[in-house]
Amino acid sequence: QVQLVESGGGVVQPGRSLRLYCAASGFTFSDYAMHWVRQAPGKGLEWVAVISYVGNKKYYADSVKGRFTISRDNSKNTLHLQMNSLRAEDTAVYYCARDGEWIWDYWGQGTLVTVSS
Amino acid sequence: DIVMTQSPDSLAVSLGERATINCKSSQSILYSSNNKNYLAWYQQRPGQPPKLLIFWASTRESGVPDRFSGSGSGTDFTLTISSLQAGDVAVYYCQQYYSTPYTFGQGTKLEIK
Repeated sequence: QVQLVESGGGVVQPGRSLRLYCAASGFTFSDYAMHWVRQAPGKGLEWVAVISYVGNKKYYADSVKGRFTISRDNSKNTLHLQMNSLRAEDTAVYYCARDGEWIWDYWGQGTLVTVSS
Repeated sequence: DIVMTQSPDSLAVSLGERATINCKSSQSILYSSNNKNYLAWYQQRPGQPPKLLIFWASTRESGVPDRFSGSGSGTDFTLTISSLQAGDVAVYYCQQYYSTPYTFGQGTKLEIK
């Protein structure tokens, strides 16, 4: 069965970096684009970034552009999100989601990132 | 950016009654070349990730009960739950995937009256 498992979250000070991971299983990872979506505590959903199935196309929300980098390793079925220069407003649960030709059909359980001094 | 606006923000409906949630996009999300509306609906129960209910504005995801239906085109869309069940208590989001940045509505909290 399809599984997406995020990891790498935690408490980090403002200005520091963190790298998130999304381990995929149960499907051919290299056939799908992948997204990161976040949700601040008690708030709605915010799309963060997307990467094409090959990894050659990447798009970002303006709120993270220049600070976050999405990448993938198709040989290891893993999606990454490198987050630099973290701010308090980046505090959120980060979800990875599978994109099957515009259909975001599977989401992970999320990993919590808290940016606080 | 395409702004997605849902109404109402919250809704209380009796068990077995109909629930209707509206979603309006700031510009058309109907792609003329394929006549598809790039609109999805998600359900998010407390402490859970979002769950895809509807895509292409009206196509029900596999396994989603047929009491959930989506309609609309262009800029105005509706999610209807025909007969509310206790397990439908959740926050519902619409989302456009017509263009980046992909955007979500603010969410509609559905409760039992």
